[in-house]
Amino acid sequence: AQSVSQHNHHVILSEAASLELGCNYSYGGTVNLFWYVQYPGQHLQLLLKYFSGDPLVKGIKGFEAEFIKSKFSFNLRKPSVQWSDTAEYFCAVIRTSGTYKYIFGTGTRLKVLA
Amino acid sequence: DVKVTQSSRYLVKRTGEKVFLECVQDMDHENMFWYRQDPGLGLRLIYFSYDVKMKEKGDIPEGYSVSREKKERFSLILESASTNQTSMYLCASSPTGQGVQPQHFGDGTRLSIL
Repeated sequence: AQSVSQHNHHVILSEAASLELGCNYSYGGTVNLFWYVQYPGQHLQLLLKYFSGDPLVKGIKGFEAEFIKSKFSFNLRKPSVQWSDTAEYFCAVIRTSGTYKYIFGTGTRLKVLA
Repeated sequence: DVKVTQSSRYLVKRTGEKVFLECVQDMDHENMFWYRQDPGLGLRLIYFSYDVKMKEKGDIPEGYSVSREKKERFSLILESASTNQTSMYLCASSPTGQGVQPQHFGDGTRLSIL
């Protein structure tokens, strides 16, 4: 069965530290990939997405992610985090055909210390 | 901007009650989804619908049913609520066409079953 793994469940960083959150998926076909963020008390919102083309995608608020097909990975990065980045981050994968099912990872809770 | 509205932010019900959770989207999206979000488990798909009166089971449909009589509205029904259905419930919608599109989420309903 398809699955998405986020290995870091809780991450604590100081402001200005660099961030990398891991995401690996199990499906071998063509996929679309997403990172969503959920700020405290708010709804999930799209951070960035990869459909095709340049494997390095840039999203909102200085986030970027790199799709490495050979590693089935889509890691999220930010060079310098801010206190306002404290949130829960979810990676999601969907096959490009045959299903409308998105598969979400279990999430990573990021706490940024001021 | 897409608006996905869930009828209640917080709901408390008793074991054995029939519970209705309502979701309305205002962007004429074909696809609608119900998830439950639990700590450490991420988002798990309960049911989804890709058209009016169409529904498909997700990963954890047991104890739930859904209704989609109108395109903009997708209801989740707990036939006989149990304490293990205490959770945060998220509704999402997405359009079809031009490939797979990101989902748009509501604010969630935090449901407690006593």
